[in-house]
Amino acid sequence: NAGVTQTPKFQVLKTGQSMTLQCAQDMNHEYMSWYRQDPGMGLRLIHYSVGAGITDQGEVPNGYNVSRSTTEDFPLRLLSAAPSQTSVYFCATGLNEKLFFGSGTQLSVL
Amino acid sequence: GNSVTQMEGPVTLSEEAFLTINCTYTATGYPSLFWYVQYPGEGLQLLLKATKADDKGSNKGFEATYRKETTSFHLEKGSVQVSDSAVYFCALLNYGGATNKLIFGTGTLLAVQP
Repeated sequence: NAGVTQTPKFQVLKTGQSMTLQCAQDMNHEYMSWYRQDPGMGLRLIHYSVGAGITDQGEVPNGYNVSRSTTEDFPLRLLSAAPSQTSVYFCATGLNEKLFFGSGTQLSVL
Repeated sequence: GNSVTQMEGPVTLSEEAFLTINCTYTATGYPSLFWYVQYPGEGLQLLLKATKADDKGSNKGFEATYRKETTSFHLEKGSVQVSDSAVYFCALLNYGGATNKLIFGTGTLLAVQP
């Protein structure tokens, strides 16, 4: 029972590169979300999805794309990475306060 | 709008010391309040919650009381252990929308020394 699995755990990119952060859940939850965690700023919601085929923007969506083709997967895409996107990214599933978080992806953009 | 303000860390304590981490909030209506804990290398986990004024949430020896008059939800523990070293996040949630979103504080790092 893995819960929420994020890959990779660490990534270093150069400015302008693209990449996809993977998130998979085996809890059969409809709701999934992506957060970024920055020092002194807590967690901020990037994008979320209430079910397959439905996504919406959170608090800080610029520079990120998402899609939800299956209940299990919710990848986060950086099309052209910028240093401002250096952060720790968390995927979560569940609803309201009952969120289950992955262990995070630490991303550095040089 | 809704917001959460936490005391800045890090908070460094010796084992068995008393812990208080302050949290105040601004919200419309009657939000629910939460404390999450993030252990090193892990995602956040719900620690405790309170859904209405004067409710006390508790778990693993931690407590927090929902004080509407002071808009506060301070986290306390009577005797901390080294294993309590983590980052603690206060959060609020206003129900009623189609998709309810948690509002997190900035987090407070707690370091407990043996």
